[in-house]
Amino acid sequence: DAKTTQPTSMDCAEGRAANLPCNHSTISGNEYVYWYRQIHSQGPQYIIHGLKNNETNEMASLIITEDRKSSTLILPHATLRDTAVYYCIVRVGSVGTSGSRLTFGEGTQLTVNP
Amino acid sequence: SQTIHQWPATLVQPVGSPLSLECTVEGTSNPNLYWYRQAAGRGLQLLFYSVGIGQISSEVPQNLSASRPQDRQFILSSKKLLLSDSGFYLCAWSGASGGAYNEQFFGPGTRLTVL
Repeated sequence: DAKTTQPTSMDCAEGRAANLPCNHSTISGNEYVYWYRQIHSQGPQYIIHGLKNNETNEMASLIITEDRKSSTLILPHATLRDTAVYYCIVRVGSVGTSGSRLTFGEGTQLTVNP
Repeated sequence: SQTIHQWPATLVQPVGSPLSLECTVEGTSNPNLYWYRQAAGRGLQLLFYSVGIGQISSEVPQNLSASRPQDRQFILSSKKLLLSDSGFYLCAWSGASGGAYNEQFFGPGTRLTVL
């Protein structure tokens, strides 16, 4: 699985958009970009994933650059409850014999301030 | 709906003692199951995953073992705990349908302190 690079920490004002970047310059053609988040002392929670098209769901939007070497997770109106560690993960999309195993890095600690 | 349970929630054990952490999933069949460990202030490390009963894959050599005696039960064990086994242990499951990726759903975790 390709390696990802994320900033260690970011701050965002409540009600504003939070834009979390992720670099994955060694991503290969069959690898997807996944985002999870972990609120303190809880298990991670799936947010969104995509291959090359931008994706949006009720939680967030995922913008993937045309060369797929980087992506941005956007929380359009951040709330205090969005304070968490956000993990960007790159892996192949098929399950195969390895299940849906994920390799988590250190992630970005997002702090939403009132 | 599907739910995942882990117990105990917290555990304090002396060095050299045995360990057994249990994870069960309800509301789904033939899930893929995973054990992760998170050291204080660090990211998650995948320890084991299982795609079926009795099928266990180990990601890293360590002092721990895993077993899957039933379809929706996943157990993490150790014969003799080390100080370095302290951490937050998370169990997760994902669907096994088709060949597409299925998101993982995590349990509430067990916080283990080895003294």
